[in-house]
Amino acid sequence: DAGVTQSPTHLIKTRGQHVTLRCSPISGHKSVSWYQQVLGQGPQFIFQYYEKEERGRGNFPDRFSARQFPNYSSELNVNALLLGDSALYLCASSLKDEQFFGPGTRLTVL
Amino acid sequence: GDSVTQMEGPVTLSEEAFLTINCTYTATGYPSLFWYVQYPGEGLQLLLKATKADDKGSNKGFEATYRKETTSFHLEKGSVQVSDSAVYFCALSDRIDYKLSFGAGTTVTVRA
Repeated sequence: DAGVTQSPTHLIKTRGQHVTLRCSPISGHKSVSWYQQVLGQGPQFIFQYYEKEERGRGNFPDRFSARQFPNYSSELNVNALLLGDSALYLCASSLKDEQFFGPGTRLTVL
Repeated sequence: GDSVTQMEGPVTLSEEAFLTINCTYTATGYPSLFWYVQYPGEGLQLLLKATKADDKGSNKGFEATYRKETTSFHLEKGSVQVSDSAVYFCALSDRIDYKLSFGAGTTVTVRA
């Protein structure tokens, strides 16, 4: 079975732009979570979706939004990018308490 | 809120040495506990987990025991290899929405 996939792998944007990151979960997984990992730190929870409904939101500004589609794939959108948004964005899919992570999207904001 | 504190690194070891990475947690409920590993340039991989007190998670020679009385989940390996060089993250999830709270990570480098 394929694991969690994310696209794109790398992305370079400038301040003020917006970005869309995509994630496809493991087949059969209905929950998708997004995490931000700044260099040298542990991942921080951004959002969790289950059956297309937002189930949890971390301490991130409203510039961050997400959605989940009927096929359980998900998008993370970030508007008005700031330099501090530069990070590895990780998507994870899960059945219950075990989360499986994708390889991440490396976002660089210049 | 829930939080995880793990031993700061970096940690540098010689091959076949014993590895311990300390992890303690604070949680309002009764969490599940995890160790994830991140190899250079890759995403996170689940290394092991434990879901209740006194459970021992184990994988690839690594072990960790869920100690409720000391709120700890220390990672150990008896004989490390160069291929164990990675960043190790301790994490917990509650039993409501299963979101993960991570520690800051410990970088381990094993020298031949």
